[in-house]
Amino acid sequence: ILNVEQSPQSLHVQEGDSTNFTCSFPSSNFYALHWYRWETAKSPEALFVMTLNGDEKKKGRISATLNTKEGYSYLYIKGSQPEDSATYLCAFRNNNFNKFYFGSGTKLNVKP
Amino acid sequence: ETGVTQTPRHLVMGMTNKKSLKCEQHLGHNAMYWYKQSAKKPLELMFVYNFKEQTENNSVPSRFSPECPNSSHLFLHLHTLQPEDSALYLCASSQGVDRHSNQPQHFGDGTRLSIL
Repeated sequence: ILNVEQSPQSLHVQEGDSTNFTCSFPSSNFYALHWYRWETAKSPEALFVMTLNGDEKKKGRISATLNTKEGYSYLYIKGSQPEDSATYLCAFRNNNFNKFYFGSGTKLNVKP
Repeated sequence: ETGVTQTPRHLVMGMTNKKSLKCEQHLGHNAMYWYKQSAKKPLELMFVYNFKEQTENNSVPSRFSPECPNSSHLFLHLHTLQPEDSALYLCASSQGVDRHSNQPQHFGDGTRLSIL
């Protein structure tokens, strides 16, 4: 069984705050790390696919970094807005290309 | 519109019933997936199909039987389920699962299944 850990489990911030959370994964046999955003009653939506150590990706106010040697990725949200409220999932893909291993997610609640 | 459509959205069934979940993707993808999400657990991969061939069965009990007649359609046939099978079942698709296909997955909205 392969462990993908996300922390914190949940986060409550005020509108305008910046926040970040962590995804930890095995550092061996790394192939890719995916981030998804999952709003209640909707389907998970892809944010980033990260493949290279040191990768940094950005989409509007959301950015992510990747460290494959130590097995972690950070997701940052700058100036959180209520519409950012969602569960943020990471998924680790190793050299067995068929498989994706998901973390339990970080549930973000942004208060107006 | 996500490009991946799942029906039904909700399903309540008894343990002796037989039902099927349906997934359809309009994205031209070659790989399709079934996931299960139980309460307070991470998404758990169940099955993977690539070009209609099953390439992964993650030790799923035989009471779950997948079927992929073509690259656009995926079914999950359910028979003699247990109460612990109550969960959200998500379908996803992606371009492919080989070394050169590192594209994200596109998910449907899921079927919320309750076993009485």
